[in-house]
Amino acid sequence: AQSVSQHNHHVILSEAASLELGCNYSYGGTVNLFWYVQYPGQHLQLLLKYFSGDPLVKGIKGFEAEFIKSKFSFNLRKPSVQWSDTAEYFCAVNAYSSASKIIFGSGTRLSIRP
Amino acid sequence: EAQVTQNPRYLITVTGKKLTVTCSQNMNHEYMSWYRQDPGLGLRQIYYSMNVEVTDKGDVPEGYKVSRKEKRNFPLILESPSPNQTSLYFCASTQDRGTDTQYFGPGTRLTVL
Repeated sequence: AQSVSQHNHHVILSEAASLELGCNYSYGGTVNLFWYVQYPGQHLQLLLKYFSGDPLVKGIKGFEAEFIKSKFSFNLRKPSVQWSDTAEYFCAVNAYSSASKIIFGSGTRLSIRP
Repeated sequence: EAQVTQNPRYLITVTGKKLTVTCSQNMNHEYMSWYRQDPGLGLRQIYYSMNVEVTDKGDVPEGYKVSRKEKRNFPLILESPSPNQTSLYFCASTQDRGTDTQYFGPGTRLTVL
């Protein structure tokens, strides 16, 4: 069965620190990959997505993610975080074989100290 | 403004009392789905619909029903709610189920006593 793992459940950083959130998936075929963010009290919104082409994807608010097929990973990065990045981050994977289903990871809560 | 709306936003009910959570989108999307969000478990898909009158089970469908009589609406029905259905529920819609961005509603926090 397909699954998505986010090993960091809660990450605490100071402002201006660099961020990397891990995401690994289990599926050997072609995948579409997403990162969603949920700010406190708000609904989920898309940060970035990868379908094909350049494996380094840039999203909103200075976030980027790199798809490494050999490692089944799609880690989210930001060189310098801000207090406003405090949120919960979800990785999601859609496998071409089951186009109707998108599997979400369990989420990583990011807390930024001012 | 493109949006997905859900009602109610908050609901406290008792075991066994039937309830419906409504979901509506104004983007003419074909694909809609319901998720529940629980701490440590992320979002899990309950049901999805690929178009009017076409629905299918997601990962955790037990205890839920859905209907899709109109393209814009996708209500979630709990015929006999139980305490283990206490959760945060999100409705989402997208035009292309595999590749497009999902647009999420604001969420419905349900407590079943």
